[in-house]
Amino acid sequence: EAGVAQSPRYKIIEKRQSVAFWCNPISGHATLYWYQQILGQGPKLLIQFQNNGVVDDSQLPKDRFSAERLKGVDSTLKIQPAKLEDSAVYLCASSLKRGKISGANVLTFGAGSRLTVL
Amino acid sequence: AQKITQTQPGMFVQEKEAVTLDCTYDTSDQSYGLFWYKQPSSGEMIFLIYQGSYDEQNATEGRYSLNFQKARKSANLVISASQLGDSAMYFCAMREDIYNFNKFYFGSGTKLNVKP
Repeated sequence: EAGVAQSPRYKIIEKRQSVAFWCNPISGHATLYWYQQILGQGPKLLIQFQNNGVVDDSQLPKDRFSAERLKGVDSTLKIQPAKLEDSAVYLCASSLKRGKISGANVLTFGAGSRLTVL
Repeated sequence: AQKITQTQPGMFVQEKEAVTLDCTYDTSDQSYGLFWYKQPSSGEMIFLIYQGSYDEQNATEGRYSLNFQKARKSANLVISASQLGDSAMYFCAMREDIYNFNKFYFGSGTKLNVKP
C-alpha cells in the first residue's frame, strides 16, 4: 500500500511570503491530520479532517493559516503571510475513521515538509 | 493538564543493553490507545508499537515492548539489546476514542543516544 505523500520536502521563503503544502493520504483513510513540529518538540495538531469536514482546528492560527480537503482525499495547507516562528516541519498523517473500539487504529505519517522562513 | 508526559529529554545507553523510556498519560476515558513512534534524524515518524486500554497483556514487537501499568497511567517503552540504529527521538502518543472520531496527543519526546 502506498504511504502518505507530501510535497514539497523542503521550502525556504522570506517572511511575509506565502507557501502551500500538499498531502495525499493513504487510500481509504477518512481522517487526515496536519501537525506542526518545531525543532526539538513533539508534533502539535493544527487541523484534523474527517472526510472533507473539519473536526478540530482549535490550534490553527487562522489569521495566517488555512487548510482544505476537497473531495475528502488530498489536502492543502497554506501559510500567508509567513512569520519567522513558522519555521518547522509540517507533518501530514492519516488514519482510518474510527470512533469507539478503534483497535490498533494507527496514525501513519508522511515524510514531512520542512519550512525555513528567513 | 498535559495529556502525555515524557520526563526524559535525553537518554544514553550502551550498545546491546536494554533501555526504558518513560511515558505517563492523562485521560478519563475508558477506551484509548497508546503508541510509540520513532523519529530518526531524517524526520520521518515511524510507528513502533501499540497498546489498547483493554489489552491485558503488554504489547511486544520484536525488540520493543510496552510496559503498560493502567492504574499508574504509564506506558513505558522498553528496547532490548540496543543497536546504534536505535539512536533517534522517541515519542509517546495517546489516542482517545471519542464517539465519532479519534484524537491523538503526543509527548515532547526523548532523544536516545546509543553508544558503541
